[in-house]
Amino acid sequence: SQQGEEDPQALSIQEGENATMNCSYKTSINNLQWYRQNSGRGLVHLILIRSNEREKHSGRLRVTLDTSKKSSSLLITASRAADTASYFCATEEGDDKIIFGKGTRLHILP
Amino acid sequence: DAGVIQSPRHEVTEMGQEVTLRCKPISGHNSLFWYRQTMMRGLELLIYFNNNVPIDDSGMPEDRFSAKMPNASFSTLKIQPSEPRDSAVYFCASSLYGGQPQHFGDGTRLSIL
Repeated sequence: SQQGEEDPQALSIQEGENATMNCSYKTSINNLQWYRQNSGRGLVHLILIRSNEREKHSGRLRVTLDTSKKSSSLLITASRAADTASYFCATEEGDDKIIFGKGTRLHILP
Repeated sequence: DAGVIQSPRHEVTEMGQEVTLRCKPISGHNSLFWYRQTMMRGLELLIYFNNNVPIDDSGMPEDRFSAKMPNASFSTLKIQPSEPRDSAVYFCASSLYGGQPQHFGDGTRLSIL
């Protein structure tokens, strides 16, 4: 079963611009995680935000979590060509497994 | 640290054949996960282990699929007999504990003809 749904499904922006991706989920969570997947590779963990946190930063990444709206957003500032990838949110509901959404395909244009 | 190691990277075989995918998790990680990724269905959790014990195999599509973890450093996913609809990329991931950030291998791209 799918928990998180990313929006948009695909996004193209110019290099240097900011990219925002959103994730909505259905049930209560312990934490929400964001992952990146480059073409032909496995997923790479980016950031984890706990249910009692509202915002978290890591380098050029900023993640917010609104548990009342059951939504999260991932902001990538000053995008670079190397940021071209698919981005997935994943939710952990307390049963030790995490459920991934279908992802947002981000394309950074030169 | 070597990361999660999967083999083979690519497998092409004819339907009806047995397929075995292998995974070596990161040393010290207690949880191991097998996923299948397709364009249509996205990333699906097939099964996960804690301390080598299968905890949830509800994602295993049918009896043709089986997974084992004989020790903390090795796991296999077996499909017997294989069918064309099993074609997908299969990922193994490990984490220190369940629910924590997962480290993925680079996957096995499986094609069943």
